[in-house]
Amino acid sequence: NAGVTQTPKFRVLKTGQSMTLLCAQDMNHEYMYWYRQDPGMGLRLIHYSVGEGTTAKGEVPDGYNVSRLKKQNFLLGLESAAPSQTSVYFCASRHSDRNSYNEQFFGPGTRLTVL
Amino acid sequence: DAKTTQPTSMDCAEGRAANLPCNHSTISGNEYVYWYRQIHSQGPQYIIHGLKNNETNEMASLIITEDRKSSTLILPHATLRDTAVYYCIVRVYGRSSGDKLTFGTGTRLAVRP
Repeated sequence: NAGVTQTPKFRVLKTGQSMTLLCAQDMNHEYMYWYRQDPGMGLRLIHYSVGEGTTAKGEVPDGYNVSRLKKQNFLLGLESAAPSQTSVYFCASRHSDRNSYNEQFFGPGTRLTVL
Repeated sequence: DAKTTQPTSMDCAEGRAANLPCNHSTISGNEYVYWYRQIHSQGPQYIIHGLKNNETNEMASLIITEDRKSSTLILPHATLRDTAVYYCIVRVYGRSSGDKLTFGTGTRLAVRP
């Protein structure tokens, strides 16, 4: 089991460029989440998905889009990157089973710098 | 969801117990207390959760006061690898809205050799 993996691990973009961050999980989890973490702050939820083909906005969705075409993958897109999107991005997933009690499994993060 | 208050930082000596407090005075009856930690540069890791009874697992113990307005995470024998930011989160468990967790700034625990 690889758990939750994120691609790429590091990326530097110029303002206005676009990119897609990939999150993959092999635990057959229904729920998936994208968070961002800025220096000295806690995680903030960007978007989440409760199942294949569904997505919803979190706390800070502006400037991002997401897609969940396959159950195991959750993509985060930046159409026109801005310096304010410089951050560490974490993906997480969890079972919808009641017995999982909200335990989210996190990936290692993607460090994005926008110049 | 109830708001939580944690000290910004704490330290303890290696081998001693680390007791991390969390205040959640506005918690409601169906809200659980969860603890996660984040070791430098890594993704957060689930530690433990509870509703009203004290809980223990291989990582830690969770003590919740009788009125449920505060709790304490106990690492019984802290090691250098326990140096991390610890997040106390209060959340209603349920299938609505994706069961989102709200992370605050947590407590930065430094374990001293």
